[in-house]
Amino acid sequence: GIQVEQSPPDLILQEGANSTLRCNFSDSVNNLQWFHQNPWGQLINLFYIPSGTKQNGRLSATTVATERYSLLYISSSQTTDSGVYFCANPPGAGSYQLTFGKGTKLSVIP
Amino acid sequence: NAGVTQTPKFQVLKTGQSMTLQCAQDMNHEYMSWYRQDPGMGLRLIHYSVGAGITDQGEVPNGYNVSRSTTEDFPLRLLSAAPSQTSVYFCASSYPPPRFYGYTFGSGTRLTVV
Repeated sequence: GIQVEQSPPDLILQEGANSTLRCNFSDSVNNLQWFHQNPWGQLINLFYIPSGTKQNGRLSATTVATERYSLLYISSSQTTDSGVYFCANPPGAGSYQLTFGKGTKLSVIP
Repeated sequence: NAGVTQTPKFQVLKTGQSMTLQCAQDMNHEYMSWYRQDPGMGLRLIHYSVGAGITDQGEVPNGYNVSRSTTEDFPLRLLSAAPSQTSVYFCASSYPPPRFYGYTFGSGTRLTVV
């Protein structure tokens, strides 16, 4: 099945700093999603981004399907951004079930 | 409030016991899925459904059963609980294409099997 690699696995930021999280995929990218799991365990859908770039406030995401990767940008980080960020992608074209990466654990310190 | 509702939030089972994790959504989503999350790992797909009466296995289906008699509900049954099933379970739902815009997740059920 598709392999999903996320980097870095851990990231510590000072409040106000910017960061870039990356997902690489071993197979075609389609119906890709980014999620944030907060410290209470809740999974929040950040972006559905099969291709191109989307922005939502301080967060933006870019997927380059032809090169099988996606990036999540966090600008002016806040302590509430802490948690684990997951990317997920279906295992093949025409599938809508998700294969998750292992996540990037982000800690934003004041 | 519209969304995906999972019950219970916490459960402790003894080895060999059976139980059903409930999942309900009120968004008229046809797609529903169950995932489990183990420490330090991403989520892994257990079972999924693309509509009422239709279910299929995911990556880790052994020890679990599902059924989908209505659009709203997608219960997950543990037939004979084992310590290896200690995990956090998430239910998710979405519209099918062309209305697909990503999955909405429930708040999870933390299950401990002793």
